[in-house]
Amino acid sequence: TQLLEQSPQFLSIQEGENLTVYCNSSSVFSSLQWYRQEPGEGPVLLVTVVTGGEVKKLKRLTFQFGDARKDSSLHITAAQTGDTGLYLCAGVGSQGNLIFGKGTKLSVKP
Amino acid sequence: GAGVSQSPSNKVTEKGKDVELRCDPISGHTALYWYRQSLGQGLEFLIYFQGNSAPDKSGLPSDRFSAERTGGSVSTLTIQRTQQEDSAVYLCASSSQWVNTEAFFGQGTRLTVV
Repeated sequence: TQLLEQSPQFLSIQEGENLTVYCNSSSVFSSLQWYRQEPGEGPVLLVTVVTGGEVKKLKRLTFQFGDARKDSSLHITAAQTGDTGLYLCAGVGSQGNLIFGKGTKLSVKP
Repeated sequence: GAGVSQSPSNKVTEKGKDVELRCDPISGHTALYWYRQSLGQGLEFLIYFQGNSAPDKSGLPSDRFSAERTGGSVSTLTIQRTQQEDSAVYLCASSSQWVNTEAFFGQGTRLTVV
């Protein structure tokens, strides 16, 4: 069974702080995706990482895919209140279905 | 439509009743997923349809849950004899057939079993 473990489960920080959330698996994935979900909405794709060792930047967000394609991280620099939400990583399973981790719930306080 | 549409947006039902939740995916998307999300939790995979292939039903929690996809488009998730633990938000997503493609989500149906 392919599983994605995310940590931490909850994170509460002050505006301006930096943070990193992790997505780990014992399985190799061809790619990993990161989504953000705000209350009352469905998740929305932030980025897809495909190549082992790949780093992608989206403004203050930096995404990294591990060399072995089993793990990924999301680093946020100078967090803002608008970054508050549930961050989910997802990978395509062997059956073609999209497997999600349980998410990291981020709260950024002013 | 422009996005994934789910209906109803909210449903309150009595324990023991059957409910049907509907998902209209983005036109042309061959893949369709159903997930369940309890309050503040992550996404629990329920079922996956891809084109004309047999659906992956491995995530359905019990035989009270079933889903179908007619004509490769609209999907209906049916929960029979609802229980209080079925209360959750049910999310539908669709994507194109290509690997690594983005999944587009609807806003979900919030089901409350009283």
